[in-house]
Amino acid sequence: AQKITQTQPGMFVQEKEAVTLDCTYDTSDQSYGLFWYKQPSSGEMIFLIYQGSYDEQNATEGRYSLNFQKARKSANLVISASQLGDSAMYFCAMSVLGSNYKLTFGKGTLLTVNP
Amino acid sequence: AAGVIQSPRHLIKEKRETATLKCYPISRHDTVYWYQQGPGQDPQFLISFYEKMQSDKGSIPDRFSAQQFSDYHSELNMSSLELGDSALYFCASSTASGRETQYFGPGTRLLVL
Repeated sequence: AQKITQTQPGMFVQEKEAVTLDCTYDTSDQSYGLFWYKQPSSGEMIFLIYQGSYDEQNATEGRYSLNFQKARKSANLVISASQLGDSAMYFCAMSVLGSNYKLTFGKGTLLTVNP
Repeated sequence: AAGVIQSPRHLIKEKRETATLKCYPISRHDTVYWYQQGPGQDPQFLISFYEKMQSDKGSIPDRFSAQQFSDYHSELNMSSLELGDSALYFCASSTASGRETQYFGPGTRLLVL
């Protein structure tokens, strides 16, 4: 079974500053994917970034980067230059080959960006 | 390109009624996943389909059933609705070749009264 742990129920950051959202995972599978999704108050689930277990370089997508530390089983999301529109719930999720790629989510971190 | 389409976006039902949620995946996506997100909770996997066949099943009540049709759209049928079924239901789609990344639809918000 897979497990995702997000230990920060809520985070605050000042506009234009960087913020790191923590995520640790647990799986016995060697082939897996790690994801971050953003869920604004409107409810939609927006894909942000993906990291494969065999990827040697950390994934980056614009202002988002994933700090992947395989030995520590962590996949932290770094948001640079925070914007007011970044205020949302952020979910870390995992999929594994052995489970037909269904996603297992963490409990989420509510990020608030202050002006 | 068009994203995943879900209909209806909002649905209000009485207890013991039935509901049908529809999902239209991104063009050329052959895999569909359904998730249920209760208030203040993370999404939970319900069921998935690949090439019109059920590929995996999660914590889906026996009162629920789903299928994927020849045009790859999927429907989630929910019967004998209970108050606890009130949730946001997401459909997500992916391709066989890129099955890691799932793209979510806007969700159907179901309220059972």
